[in-house]
Amino acid sequence: GESVGLHLPTLSVQEGDNSIINCAYSNSASDYFIWYKQESGKGPQFIIDIRSNMDKRQGQRVTVLLNKTVKHLSLQIAATQPGDSAVYFCAENNAGNMLTFGGGTRLMVKP
Amino acid sequence: KAGVTQTPRYLIKTRGQQVTLSCSPISGHRSVSWYQQTPGQGLQFLFEYFSETQRNKGNFPGRFSGRQFSNSRSEMNVSTLELGDSALYLCASSSTSQQGIYGYTFGSGTRLTVV
Repeated sequence: GESVGLHLPTLSVQEGDNSIINCAYSNSASDYFIWYKQESGKGPQFIIDIRSNMDKRQGQRVTVLLNKTVKHLSLQIAATQPGDSAVYFCAENNAGNMLTFGGGTRLMVKP
Repeated sequence: KAGVTQTPRYLIKTRGQQVTLSCSPISGHRSVSWYQQTPGQGLQFLFEYFSETQRNKGNFPGRFSGRQFSNSRSEMNVSTLELGDSALYLCASSSTSQQGIYGYTFGSGTRLTVV
């Protein structure tokens, strides 16, 4: 799979606002997608996943939207909190148990 | 239940040496995958083991190898270390249903520094 990793965009939001993090995935055959949150010094933490037979899935304060037509994935975080500050990665699965990761987006929450 | 456990958390090695990292998956997960994370290349897939067999392999040189034991614990080995091998090495375990993979959970990683 491809690795998109050199550029790390930053999203800065005010505490209490909603955040939207976007991801363009690479393989139209991918059928499973995961969003991870990674804090400094820690491994990626599972947030939410979605399979290709769905276009929306909701969790606690988070929603993932999948647009297969344009190969686009988004993560919406409601009422963003300081504890949400981290790097967020989308990952796609199209073969076996291997994930291909996007480059990540840094979310900074201003108090 | 316990998560994915990686040991050690930190390692400092000298160029030319070899290193072995360990990963204990979530109980019941039979698939263990390894990733390398660097600031420049991001998260890159190394290989995946299932039932003691390597099922998938990423685009890394043969210096990177791994194995899995009958209890699903896995080790990865890097021989003849180079400075560029300095990275966070992450292990993930997962399971499979009729729908596909699920429960893809990462450990906290082993931070390897090569000097």
